Amino acid sequence: KNEVEQSPQNLTAQEGEFITINCSYSVGISALHWLQQHPGGGIVSLFMLSSGKKKHGRLIATINIQEKHSSLHITASHPRDSAVYICAVLPLNYGGSQGNLIFGKGTKLSVKP
Amino acid sequence: NAGVMQNPRHLVRRRGQEARLRCSPVKGHSHVYWYRQLPEEGLKFMVYLQKENIIDESGMPKERFSAEFPKEGPSILRIQQVVRGDSAAYFCASSPSRRKARVETQYFGPGTRLLVL
Repeated sequence: KNEVEQSPQNLTAQEGEFITINCSYSVGISALHWLQQHPGGGIVSLFMLSSGKKKHGRLIATINIQEKHSSLHITASHPRDSAVYICAVLPLNYGGSQGNLIFGKGTKLSVKP
Repeated sequence: NAGVMQNPRHLVRRRGQEARLRCSPVKGHSHVYWYRQLPEEGLKFMVYLQKENIIDESGMPKERFSAEFPKEGPSILRIQQVVRGDSAAYFCASSPSRRKARVETQYFGPGTRLLVL
């Protein structure tokens, strides 16, 4: 079982729909990242959070540390939101350097006009 | 303020040759991370470096792979005697610091796509 699981793997939506992508993890973490990878391959960091909720434009990310779960929401989705969305966690690493990112396999989102 | 730069963006090598991938972090960032994305797979951590030091190389294969981040110049990921299985996208990220109890956002470069023939 992977330490970071994302669902769904693939998601097709109509323009304007509200989208939710889920991420569950099994390790203690310092922080969780949501990343966006466009078809050209570049990666953009959308959010880093360790508690609560963050909002940026039409994107909202939430995290529940007790339940080891995070969600990424996109309101009023648009075709330009089509990309792979990747959840990554920074595990707690006692006694040494802080751990490094463990990635989910990504959710491929396609928004149709 | 330029972001993370990687070059080359695409690299083709024949089996047995050497591949050198370069990463220039965001100006002022002293921490560099290398990740590998194999075809149809997720990203995997390889190595974490500070200037002149390897902090964590637990994700890097023990043979043929090496990384450095010299005092001056870019970070280099070097793959000797490449094999077809090394074909992947290699991403570099940087962060300003890893101060105790503070986690910094990592800024990713555009990646280098290595194809081994």
